[in-house]
Amino acid sequence: EIVLTQSPATLSLSPGERATLSCGASQSVSSSYLAWYQQKPGLAPRLLIYDASSRATGIPDRFSGSGSGTDFTLTISRLEPEDFAVYYCQQYGSSPYTFGQGTKLEIK
Amino acid sequence: EVQLVQSGAEVKKPGESLKISCKGSGYSFTSYWIGWVRQMPGKGLEWMGIIYPGDSDTRYSPSFQGQVTISADKSISTAYLQWSSLKASDTAMYYCARGLEGTYYFDYWGQGTLVTVSS
Repeated sequence: EIVLTQSPATLSLSPGERATLSCGASQSVSSSYLAWYQQKPGLAPRLLIYDASSRATGIPDRFSGSGSGTDFTLTISRLEPEDFAVYYCQQYGSSPYTFGQGTKLEIK
Repeated sequence: EVQLVQSGAEVKKPGESLKISCKGSGYSFTSYWIGWVRQMPGKGLEWMGIIYPGDSDTRYSPSFQGQVTISADKSISTAYLQWSSLKASDTAMYYCARGLEGTYYFDYWGQGTLVTVSS
């Protein structure tokens, strides 16, 4: 089973700043099959990025994903107030298709 | 419009059985995977398993294998998650979500079903 470790656990930033969230895998994720989701309190997760770097439909271009192998990054170029939430990575290259433990992005 | 509509919240006692549902609409139900994800109170997302309604191919996380059963009835575009004997530790929000054939990320999610198990 691939274990995903997200860092930091909590990230405190201000609107307008740049956010960099990391997701490390215990073994290589095949074909860069890695997704990122955003979850706000009381709501279901929302797909942001798939295949490591492809934005899902309707996702603003301030969200970008990069990486391959065991190291992946989600970058939010300029934080908007609505971006403060919890972010999860998920690998779907090898079953079980595990999630990371999440990074909470909070307002500083 | 793609929609996944889950059944309502449940309150059960330990040892009871339960089956919750997820009805898909607005797309070809048999051409996409349906997955189930657990979120315990205040915790992160846990991948439980997936089913392909087209042929009922089912895969489980080892953590949930034998603890739950995933099924689907393609005639009514509905997937299910069931327990034969609930435990207090099954208290959680359960989400269903759609995965594209050939890849297994989730592009649409249900609203979640809260299951509370308490004596």
